[in-house]
Amino acid sequence: EPEVTQTPSHQVTQMGQEVILRCVPISNHLYFYWYRQILGQKVEFLVSFYNNEISEKSEIFDDQFSVERPDGSNFTLKIRSTKLEDSAMYFCASSDPGQGQPSTDTQYFGPGTRLTVL
Amino acid sequence: QKEVEQNSGPLSVPEGAIASLNCTYSDRVSQSFFWYRQYSGKSPELIMSIYSNGDKEDGRFTAQLNKASQYVSLLIRDSQPSDSATYLCAVYSNSGYALNFGKGTSLLVTP
Repeated sequence: EPEVTQTPSHQVTQMGQEVILRCVPISNHLYFYWYRQILGQKVEFLVSFYNNEISEKSEIFDDQFSVERPDGSNFTLKIRSTKLEDSAMYFCASSDPGQGQPSTDTQYFGPGTRLTVL
Repeated sequence: QKEVEQNSGPLSVPEGAIASLNCTYSDRVSQSFFWYRQYSGKSPELIMSIYSNGDKEDGRFTAQLNKASQYVSLLIRDSQPSDSATYLCAVYSNSGYALNFGKGTSLLVTP
């Protein structure tokens, strides 16, 4: 069964460094998402991406964050200058707009990247 | 920010019993509702989606939606120890792109 994959599974970085988290969405999906989950807290939406542009972003997704689909399969999240509070599990998700309306689509999540900022 | 509320639990049920998990949401116009299961340290895994008022059954799982009361629930019949996990309720935002998650209810099924 197709699944979303993410690399690396765990990333440790120093505060102020740039990190890039990578995702390969399910191949026929057209909507891509990033969420994060700080330890012990709820899953929080960061950004959605469709047709090579951001369709929605949350307040968390400030200028330190960016997303890109550099080729036909990868979807990346870049954090330019990491802070201690960026330490979290980052999940990529994708969905297939079968009915043309993303608001009914099931989002399938990847296994996550645990980001630790020291 | 539209809210999705869940009791954090833990909800403890004996093996073979019915587990009942509840969720309320604040946005009256929400149309799509999802239950995900999350094991510790793992990613959310879809259990069920529901879009219309009433019940939807899938194996041991039944989702119930009441839009007038703005609540959605998940029943797990014949609970198994392997069902022990955190159950997340999720609702699409008005824009239709973001899933808003509740904090989750921790379920413990005891042998």
